[in-house]
Amino acid sequence: QVHLVESGGGVVQPGDSLTVSCAASGFTFSTYALHWVRQTPGKGLEWVAVIWYDGTKQYADSVKGRFTISRDNSKNTVYLQMNSLRAEDTAVYYCARDYIAYATWYYFDYWGQGTLVTVSP
Amino acid sequence: DIQMTQSPSSLSASAGDRVTIACRASQDINYHLAWFQQKPGMAPKSLIYGASTLQDGVPLKFSGSGSGTDFTLTISSLQPEDFATYFCLQYNKFPPTFGGGTKVEVK
Repeated sequence: QVHLVESGGGVVQPGDSLTVSCAASGFTFSTYALHWVRQTPGKGLEWVAVIWYDGTKQYADSVKGRFTISRDNSKNTVYLQMNSLRAEDTAVYYCARDYIAYATWYYFDYWGQGTLVTVSP
Repeated sequence: DIQMTQSPSSLSASAGDRVTIACRASQDINYHLAWFQQKPGMAPKSLIYGASTLQDGVPLKFSGSGSGTDFTLTISSLQPEDFATYFCLQYNKFPPTFGGGTKVEVK
C-alpha cells in the first residue's frame, strides 16, 4: 500500500524560509521520481518540482532559484526547501509519486494528503 | 507551457446520470492525458492515464477518450460517491500542466 505523508506546513511571513517533508512507504522509494504539486483556490493545481530516481532535479519557472527539492533514500523522504517565500506561494503542497520506476513520466499515480503553507505578513 | 481548458467548470447532476467532462489542450499532446478525482480535504485520486487506461482499482463506470487536443471523461452512471471535483493533466510536454477542474454537484 503506497502512502505519502506530508508535514511541515505552517504560517510564515514574506521573505521567510520553510521546509516541507514527505515520508513515503509501501514501495521501493529509491527507484521512483517524486514530485511536489501545489493547489490554490484561485490558480488551481500547479506542478512545482521533481527529483528523479537518479537525483536529477527540475523546477517550475515560478519557483526556480527559490525552492530546492531533495531526497533522502535512507529515510524514504523527499523535501521541499522554500526560500524567499511570497504571498503567491500560499497553497496546499502535495507530494506525488511518478508512475514508473526508473523513469519520469510526469504523471502522478499516488498523492499525499497535502500540507498547507500560508505566507502572510 | 501547454494550456489545459476544462469544461464545464461545474455541473449539477443526479444519481444515475451519465456525465461527460471535456478537456482541451492548447497543442497536440498525443494521448498523454490523465484524469483525477478530488474530494474536499482529500488527496487527488488517479482515475485514468494514457487518455483511456483505467488506473488499477478504478471502477468501469469511468472511461476516457480522445487524443491530440480533445479529451473526455465519462461517468456512465453517477453514484453518490462520485460527487467530487475532476481535473485533467497533460504530461506530454514539460512542464506538466493541469486543467482548472470540473465540480460535479448534486442537482
